[in-house]
Amino acid sequence: EVQLLESGGDFVQTGESLRLSCTASGFTFTSHVLSWVRQLPGKGLEWVSAINADGRNTYYADSVKGRFTISRDNSKNAVYLLMNSLRVEDTAVYFCAYMPLYYYGSGSYNYWGQGALVTVSS
Amino acid sequence: QSVLTQPPSVSGSPGQRVTISCTGSNSNIGAGYDVHWYKQVPGRAPKLLIAGNTFRPSGVPDRFSGSKSDTSASLAIAGLQAEDEAEYYCQSYDGNLRGSIFGGGTKVTVL
Repeated sequence: EVQLLESGGDFVQTGESLRLSCTASGFTFTSHVLSWVRQLPGKGLEWVSAINADGRNTYYADSVKGRFTISRDNSKNAVYLLMNSLRVEDTAVYFCAYMPLYYYGSGSYNYWGQGALVTVSS
Repeated sequence: QSVLTQPPSVSGSPGQRVTISCTGSNSNIGAGYDVHWYKQVPGRAPKLLIAGNTFRPSGVPDRFSGSKSDTSASLAIAGLQAEDEAEYYCQSYDGNLRGSIFGGGTKVTVL
């Protein structure tokens, strides 16, 4: 059974940093893309970032480029999202999601974690 | 403002058929990128419903079907049931933005 478990969500002030973690099991972690997708309160889904299976290439939405960094540790079956210079508009539930591709592209998100709530206050 | 446009809501009586549209452009759906559909109930993570325009993952009832044409796609739900009440999202990839894109979501109400 595929499982994705996020952690690290918290309440922070604007300008602060936070690191989210996502640990995975039930699939060949080293062969697949991992992404972060967020959902603002009462709103729809917004893709945030993705990382290829080998960790060599990363991708970001314009709204977070330069502030967020995605990384992965294939020895720990874990993916991370380091969020710097947080803004009020980053307040959201952040989902870790798995795409059954080696290289990031137009694939589907076959499994999702339960989400981690990040609240940024001014 | 989502790159993919969905109607905010659709409704139907039990047993009816409803469809949800997802309209994109030549940089995403029209460029040949696949469309995927998700179902999300309040407080839960999205769940994949349709992958690669028409493929139903294991466990998804055959009441759900997807289609794609030109710059748009559709999700059809036949034989509407109470448990189908949820928010539904389409997703694709945009070649100009170089990232995944989602529709704004459609709330399905069973009357």
